[in-house]
Amino acid sequence: NAGVMQNPRHLVRRRGQEARLRCSPMKGHSHVYWYRQLPEEGLKFMVYLQKENIIDESGMPKERFSAEFPKEGPSILRIQQVVRGDSAAYFCASSRVQGDLEPQHFGDGTRLSIL
Amino acid sequence: KNEVEQSPQNLTAQEGEFITINCSYSVGISALHWLQQHPGGGIVSLFMLSSGKKKHGRLIATINIQEKHSSLHITASHPRDSAVYICAVTDKLIFGTGTRLQVFP
Repeated sequence: NAGVMQNPRHLVRRRGQEARLRCSPMKGHSHVYWYRQLPEEGLKFMVYLQKENIIDESGMPKERFSAEFPKEGPSILRIQQVVRGDSAAYFCASSRVQGDLEPQHFGDGTRLSIL
Repeated sequence: KNEVEQSPQNLTAQEGEFITINCSYSVGISALHWLQQHPGGGIVSLFMLSSGKKKHGRLIATINIQEKHSSLHITASHPRDSAVYICAVTDKLIFGTGTRLQVFP
């Protein structure tokens, strides 16, 4: 499967725990985007990364959230000390290059549930 | 006011009907995306267009950059078309709130 791979598909955490969401972009893609979809709400941009660089994190909450895209391995979205309001679907997308005219390919998402 | 507005929010149709979903935006863009999200499922990119019209099977997408408006049409709708259809603009995607389509047999 050469598509964008996200894991886990479902993640359950208790309040105060850490959540790690992984995204492996399509082969040949070096640009990764993370989006969040809160229950009954639309998708919202969180962060845009290239390999080893955060390009735009204007959509990331100021605290507890971080993202990385190391030289080797998947992109990781990390949420520390999770709270109930973090329950959402988190989608990753990748593209070959950046730009309005470059299509983004989406993963199936990680559904995060906070108990 | 949202930068990307979709209408209608909810849409029901009988199988075979012609469907139109509209998207208006207020920001300058080079391209607009139409996405499909099935219940409990992932997101599929249907179209990316910067001008004119694109067709794929029973789906047709049009865009008017000057009027900042795009439409997604589904001809001969089928129950399997039931999904949420989302338009999004710019490379750091700004999403509309989606149109929930249900097609009944």
